[in-house]
Amino acid sequence: GQNIDQPTEMTATEGAIVQINCTYQTSGFNGLFWYQQHAGEAPTFLSYNVLDGLEEKGRFSSFLSRSKGYSYLLLKELQMKDSASYLCAVSPRDSNYQLIWGAGTKLIIKP
Amino acid sequence: DVKVTQSSRYLVKRTGEKVFLECVQDMDHENMFWYRQDPGLGLRLIYFSYDVKMKEKGDIPEGYSVSREKKERFSLILESASTNQTSMYLCGAGSTGELFFGEGSRLTVL
Repeated sequence: GQNIDQPTEMTATEGAIVQINCTYQTSGFNGLFWYQQHAGEAPTFLSYNVLDGLEEKGRFSSFLSRSKGYSYLLLKELQMKDSASYLCAVSPRDSNYQLIWGAGTKLIIKP
Repeated sequence: DVKVTQSSRYLVKRTGEKVFLECVQDMDHENMFWYRQDPGLGLRLIYFSYDVKMKEKGDIPEGYSVSREKKERFSLILESASTNQTSMYLCGAGSTGELFFGEGSRLTVL
């Protein structure tokens, strides 16, 4: 079957760094996406990885290892507004339209 | 950016009622999607549409139907609502990866 695993919840301190992991087992691979979702709001796109390596975008970076079926989202200089759920999603090779979604990681930032 | 608007943020319906959830996008995108989001589960695709009058079933289409008569509008229909359809419903538009979502419609079926 197809599966995406990520931790249910994480806690970090304001100003610190946190890494949210995502592992996947899918029938194919056409890219991995990270979305941010604040409580009661719509998910918003953060990043897209298709090749191995690190993609940096400001305070947020996303890493992919296709051979290991593994990705992480790295958040630096954490701010209280980063408290949200972070959703990992994979586009399987055999589907042009459907994403496989993880259940999301709820990140709690403490002062 | 694409803006996606869902007609109702909160709805309460009774078992057996017919429910319409409307979604409108303002950027002329071909692809539109309906997902449901439940605690502890990833987003699950109900239906998607890649053009006017075109639709394909997602992972959990049972108990739902959709309508896409105009490019900007994609409607989700629950013919006879049941309690297990209590959920958050998210409409999306865009490419496979970079989806733009509406604010969500939280449906409670009593």
